[in-house]
Amino acid sequence: AQSVSQHNHHVILSEAASLELGCNYSYGGTVNLFWYVQYPGQHLQLLLKYFSGDPLVKGIKGFEAEFIKSKFSFNLRKPSVQWSDTAEYFCAVGGYNKLIFGAGTRLAVHP
Amino acid sequence: GAGVSQSPSNKVTEKGKDVELRCDPISGHTALYWYRQSLGQGLEFLIYFQGNSAPDKSGLPSDRFSAERTGGSVSTLTIQRTQQEDSAVYLCASSYKGGSGNTIYFGEGSWLTVV
Repeated sequence: AQSVSQHNHHVILSEAASLELGCNYSYGGTVNLFWYVQYPGQHLQLLLKYFSGDPLVKGIKGFEAEFIKSKFSFNLRKPSVQWSDTAEYFCAVGGYNKLIFGAGTRLAVHP
Repeated sequence: GAGVSQSPSNKVTEKGKDVELRCDPISGHTALYWYRQSLGQGLEFLIYFQGNSAPDKSGLPSDRFSAERTGGSVSTLTIQRTQQEDSAVYLCASSYKGGSGNTIYFGEGSWLTVV
């Protein structure tokens, strides 16, 4: 069965700290992988996606994620977070006709 | 429209009443999805439409939940005899065509509270 596991439910950082959010997935076929972000009071937005090719994917707002097939992981990173990165982050794996989401990680960045 | 539009944005209903939630996808998008977001539980897939048909309705939690899509556009999610555990944000999303290789765009959701 398809599943996505996000290890950290809540993360608190100071501005300029580095960020890494873990995501592991379980899926039997070719995977498409996604990170979505939900800023307070806003709808879910796509941060980045991986379909094939270079396993290091660059997204919006300085985010990147690395697909490591052997570890079934797709961790999200940002070298230096800002207060405006405060949001909830969701990892998702794409199956044939739907996305399966993780439980989400709430990130709070303090000035 | 410019984005996925959902209505109502907020709905408070009494236990046992029926509710209808509406989704207007991005114009030209053939695929439409319903998800449910509960506190601390991430996003739960409910149903997927390709055009007017629903090839995957495996996520509907009970027979109290149903959805339809007409004209390949607007979709309605109906919850009959609502229960308190139905309280959640119901998210609609659409993509140009089905398959996760296409970017899925989400609406702002309908917040349902059953009292």
